[in-house]
Amino acid sequence: GAVVSQHPSRVICKSGTSVKIECRSLDFQATTMFWYRQFPKQSLMLMATSNEGSKATYEQGVEKDKFLINHASLTLSTLTVTSAHPEDSSFYICSAVRTGLETEAFFGQGTRLTVV
Amino acid sequence: DAKTTQPNSMESNEEEPVHLPCNHSTISGTDYIHWYRQLPSQGPEYVIHGLTSNVNNRMASLAIAEDRKSSTLILHRATLRDAAVYYCILRDGRNDMRFGAGTRLTVKP
Repeated sequence: GAVVSQHPSRVICKSGTSVKIECRSLDFQATTMFWYRQFPKQSLMLMATSNEGSKATYEQGVEKDKFLINHASLTLSTLTVTSAHPEDSSFYICSAVRTGLETEAFFGQGTRLTVV
Repeated sequence: DAKTTQPNSMESNEEEPVHLPCNHSTISGTDYIHWYRQLPSQGPEYVIHGLTSNVNNRMASLAIAEDRKSSTLILHRATLRDAAVYYCILRDGRNDMRFGAGTRLTVKP
């Protein structure tokens, strides 16, 4: 099956610094990518939807200036957490889909972000 | 919003079949029904999806009610590796993917 690679899998950063998370679709072109955040024992919360070549659509309550999403190519999307604070510590997950509602989504392995 | 309702948790014995229900009474005609599962500290994994007809693949079967307001994911012989949180999701015309609370499946040896 298709593979989505997310990197890094784990990162620790100091409060006030920025962290970039990469999401790559390795063997297909992803017209749409989704970014999620997941807190312990909770479900995935959709943060934003990004389509290649256009601006991401952010969910209500998600600060677009804090969580910068770039989807510059059909195989790469990045999420940058700017000026990270301890409350941003979470499990971040990306997902990639090909065009069409009939196609399944493929997920990265997730990034565990810890802000100290 | 198209939404789904699933039981919070279910238990099964190893090597027995498991039927995981999902209600989606507000489903529209073009919504696909997707199932994913998530093991601890991992990203979700695709299981199966369908529109109207029942579907089978190597992992599971998906039974869709005639009125499409509910569906059931069937694991034919549960193994310990099937213990996970299972999510039933509707993919709608806005092309987003929102997760509900899911069902935590426990498999007992």
